Parts: sequence; structure tokens; C-alpha cells
Amino acid sequence: AQSVSQHNHHVILSEAASLELGCNYSYGGTVNLFWYVQYPGQHLQLLLKYFSGDPLVKGIKGFEAEFIKSKFSFNLRKPSVQWSDTAEYFCAVTAVDNYGQNFVFGPGTRLSVLP
Amino acid sequence: DTGVSQDPRHKITKRGQNVTFRCDPISEHNRLYWYRQTLGQGPEFLTYFQNEAQLEKSRLLSDRFSAERPKGSFSTLEIQRTEQGDSAMYLCASSLGGTSGSEQYFGPGTRLTVT
Repeated sequence: AQSVSQHNHHVILSEAASLELGCNYSYGGTVNLFWYVQYPGQHLQLLLKYFSGDPLVKGIKGFEAEFIKSKFSFNLRKPSVQWSDTAEYFCAVTAVDNYGQNFVFGPGTRLSVLP
Repeated sequence: DTGVSQDPRHKITKRGQNVTFRCDPISEHNRLYWYRQTLGQGPEFLTYFQNEAQLEKSRLLSDRFSAERPKGSFSTLEIQRTEQGDSAMYLCASSLGGTSGSEQYFGPGTRLTVT
């Protein structure tokens, strides 16, 4: 079965530190990859997505992610975090498996940015 | 507010009762998705519709779960004979377009507590 793993459950950083959140998926076919974010008290919202083409994709608020097909990875990065980046981050994969269309989310990584 | 709305926001029910949740998608969106999210986990995909057609329902958790979208607008998710294990946040999302890569816009969720 398809699965998405996220390397860290909780990450604590100081403002201006660099961020990298790991994401690995298990599906070997064609996938679409996403990072969603949930700020405290708000709905899930899309940060960025990868369909095809340039494996380095840029999203909102200075976030970017790199798709490395050989490593089944889609890590999220930001060079300098702000207090307002405190949120829960979810990596997600969409693909077709033996049962049909599937949308698989990772367990999430909570990011706490200290002012 | 023209986002995805869900009703009710909270539901407390006794084991064995039936519950129904409603989701109103963004008006021009043709796809509608249902997810379940438990504490410390990412959203778990249940089912989705394109207009009024339910395209994927093999991942509904049991035959106690059913969903409808009768006129291609709002949708309902029903859980019959609720069990304590059904306690979770139920999320609805909608998207525009016919591909699995379309950005999903999430609602605030309905939190179900089964006592």
C-alpha cells in the first residue's frame, strides 16, 4: 500500500534558522506531490505542488521543495524561518493504485519557531 | 466567506446512533473529497465525487459509512451505528478540475465524539 513518511514529528527552530522537513513516499508509479500547511486555528492550505518538469518547485511564503525520484523524496525547505511559520506541515501524494485513485497524507510535522 | 463550509462543527453522539455531516464546497468546484483525521495523524482519504458521481469509495472505512452528492453541489457523509473508534475530525475538501493534481481547498472539519 502507498504510504508517506515524514522524518520529524516536532521541529523547534529559532527565527532566521534554515528549515528542511523530510518526506518520503512508497509508491513507484507516477505521482503528484504536495505540501500542505495548517496554521493554528486555520484550515489546511496548499504550500506547493509538483506534477512534472523542474524538480525544484517554489511555493508561497518563500517555501520550496525538491523532488528526487531516485530517493522517493520530496523535502520541504525554507532558508530563513519566521515566527509566523509555526504550524503543522503535511506532505501528500496522489496516485492510482490497485483500488483506484488515492490521496495519501503523511502524519505531519509540527514546526515551532521561537521568536 | 466563500470557502468550503461544514456543518456541524462539533457533534457528540452516543454509540449506536447514526450521524450525518454536511459539506458545502466552493461553488464552482466540481470535485469534492471526504477525509478522516485522528489525533497525531494526517488526513485519511475516504471518498470523492466528480459532480454527482462517486468516483472512489473503496476506501470508506466500513459499510457503515456512506456519502452522497445528489445534485453535484453539497455532499453528506453518514455514519450508521457509530462506534467509539469513529471519534475523529471529518474533513471535506473541494477542487476545480478533472485531475488528481488539482489543489484541494479544505473546510474547517466536523469533530465527532462518540460516547
